[in-house]
Amino acid sequence: GNSVTQMEGPVTLSEEAFLTINCTYTATGYPSLFWYVQYPGEGLQLLLKATKADDKGSNKGFEATYRKETTSFHLEKGSVQVSDSAVYFCALILDSNYQLIWGAGTKLIIKP
Amino acid sequence: DSGVTQTPKHLITATGQRVTLRCSPRSGDLSVYWYQQSLDQGLQFLIQYYNGEERAKGNILERFSAQQFPDLHSELNLSSLELGDSALYFCASSSWENNSPLHFGNGTRLTVT
Repeated sequence: GNSVTQMEGPVTLSEEAFLTINCTYTATGYPSLFWYVQYPGEGLQLLLKATKADDKGSNKGFEATYRKETTSFHLEKGSVQVSDSAVYFCALILDSNYQLIWGAGTKLIIKP
Repeated sequence: DSGVTQTPKHLITATGQRVTLRCSPRSGDLSVYWYQQSLDQGLQFLIQYYNGEERAKGNILERFSAQQFPDLHSELNLSSLELGDSALYFCASSSWENNSPLHFGNGTRLTVT
């Protein structure tokens, strides 16, 4: 079946460190891929997306590249800030059913 | 601001009771989704409506029901509440376009005592 696997958290980093949160997927067909972020006490926000292979989504210094050969969509940021502390969700959506399939979420803690 | 409005923000009620959660989608969005987020189950898809009709069903209990009205707002009804129903309930909306992203409200925190 279709699924999304994220690295388990929490991920704890110091400010200005390099961030990678791994995301791999299993899907039939050609999904679109998303990263959502949930800040403490808030709802989920779309962070970035990519709709086809080799597309790179970027926003707020975060990037992720749709890699069809490795079925991955890893989230990266070159220099994290304390304000990036949140839970990050990787997700995919298929044309066939329009439903988002979610990863379990990765909690990111950035220490000053 | 995602443009999706959920009310109420917080709800505290007793076991056995019934509550209604309300969601107003972003202007122009035809699809509404309901999700439940709990500590042990993570983010669970409950149900989706598109332009007033049920489009997809996820892990929604029989005690729960939802509907989308002609003005596109949606309500999630939870009845015979149990302690385990305590969670954050999120509504999201999206446009009609294929693979369009979801925009989430800030959620309703339900506490069942």
